[in-house]
Amino acid sequence: DTEVTQTPKHLVMGMTNKKSLKCEQHMGHRAMYWYKQKAKKPPELMFVYSYEKLSINESVPSRFSPECPNSSLLNLHLHALQPEDSALYLCASSHQGPNYGYTFGSGTRLTVV
Amino acid sequence: QKEVEQNSGPLSVPEGAIASLNCTYSDRGSQSFFWYRQYSGKSPELIMSIYSNGDKEDGRFTAQLNKASQYVSLLIRDSQPSDSATYLCAVRPMKTSYDKVIFGPGTSLSVIP
Repeated sequence: DTEVTQTPKHLVMGMTNKKSLKCEQHMGHRAMYWYKQKAKKPPELMFVYSYEKLSINESVPSRFSPECPNSSLLNLHLHALQPEDSALYLCASSHQGPNYGYTFGSGTRLTVV
Repeated sequence: QKEVEQNSGPLSVPEGAIASLNCTYSDRGSQSFFWYRQYSGKSPELIMSIYSNGDKEDGRFTAQLNKASQYVSLLIRDSQPSDSATYLCAVRPMKTSYDKVIFGPGTSLSVIP
């Protein structure tokens, strides 16, 4: 299995809703990432998990809450989002170490109304 | 100075030509470098990684690294219309955790049949 699976692929949510994005990989990668990408911009790092522990939080607002239940799963819990949070949310994973690139999931296209 | 810079393009080349994509970075201690391809509406896909000065070839792709000049490039030989995409340069700086890479803004490539 060489894939990172993200669900759902599309999500429309109101500003008062609570939703979760899910990410799963079975490649034995021990680093997992959440990125946010706006149109015609590069991915922006949000969170990094290393061996299921949060190692980097790029000053992301608390309305985004990550969770790593085990080495294969990564969640992003969403609450009270703003319309400007509408974007493509990408999950990625990699082996630990500086010479490993990322495998990205296909992303969740989020629209906040 | 931005950490990773690329020409935004669009870069247009005729089918069969060589496409040359360039990237510069500011952290002299950066240790690993990656090229990702992103088709419109899709997630990034890792196509090349390079860690040592010189050239690295993989099929029609050649990555070139010059650490003294803080410059990394991607050459695509025999360009095909299917190569039309945005190419993201990513750099893993020494000054940050090795979990983190910095993406450049991307170069849009259009291969004209």
